[in-house]
Amino acid sequence: AQRVTQPEKLLSVFKGAPVELKCNYSYSGSPELFWYVQYSRQRLQLLLRHISRESIKGFTADLNKGETSFHLKKPFAQEEDSAMYYCAATGTGGGNKLTFGTGTQLKVEL
Amino acid sequence: DSGVTQTPKHLITATGQRVTLRCSPRSGDLSVYWYQQSLDQGLQFLIQYYNGEERAKGNILERFSAQQFPDLHSELNLSSLELGDSALYFCASSVGTAGELFFGEGSRLTVL
Repeated sequence: AQRVTQPEKLLSVFKGAPVELKCNYSYSGSPELFWYVQYSRQRLQLLLRHISRESIKGFTADLNKGETSFHLKKPFAQEEDSAMYYCAATGTGGGNKLTFGTGTQLKVEL
Repeated sequence: DSGVTQTPKHLITATGQRVTLRCSPRSGDLSVYWYQQSLDQGLQFLIQYYNGEERAKGNILERFSAQQFPDLHSELNLSSLELGDSALYFCASSVGTAGELFFGEGSRLTVL
């Protein structure tokens, strides 16, 4: 079955510390991977997708097919990064069924 | 606001009842998606419509049904409600059948 796993419910780091939000997936074929973010009192929105290979707000994510992982990283956490982060994957072959992980709450402390 | 709009924002009802959640996609988006988020669970995909046609289906219960109308708005009907149906129901839209999803603020359903 297609599955996206985020092992940490809560990740707390100090401002300026590196951040790594873990995501592992179990998918047949070549899924497309995404990170979505929900800031306080805002809607869930796309942060980045693996095919674009870009850095958004200082975050990057590398797809590791061998480890079936798509961890989200940022070298120096900022207070405004505090939010709920969801990893998601969609398969190929029609439709756009995004499977989400359970999310990780990132808290950046001063 | 030209984003995805969902109504109602909050809904409280009793077991056995039926409710309808409504979603208007972003202007120009043809796909609509419904997701359910229960306590301590991630977003569970329910169903996707593209230009009025069902495109993909997830673990949607038989008591639930949805449709997308010619004006592209969508409705999710939940019937014979059970306590376990209490959840946040999100609607999202996208231009086509793939790519970035734009989410609404959700409809919080409480079944007592």
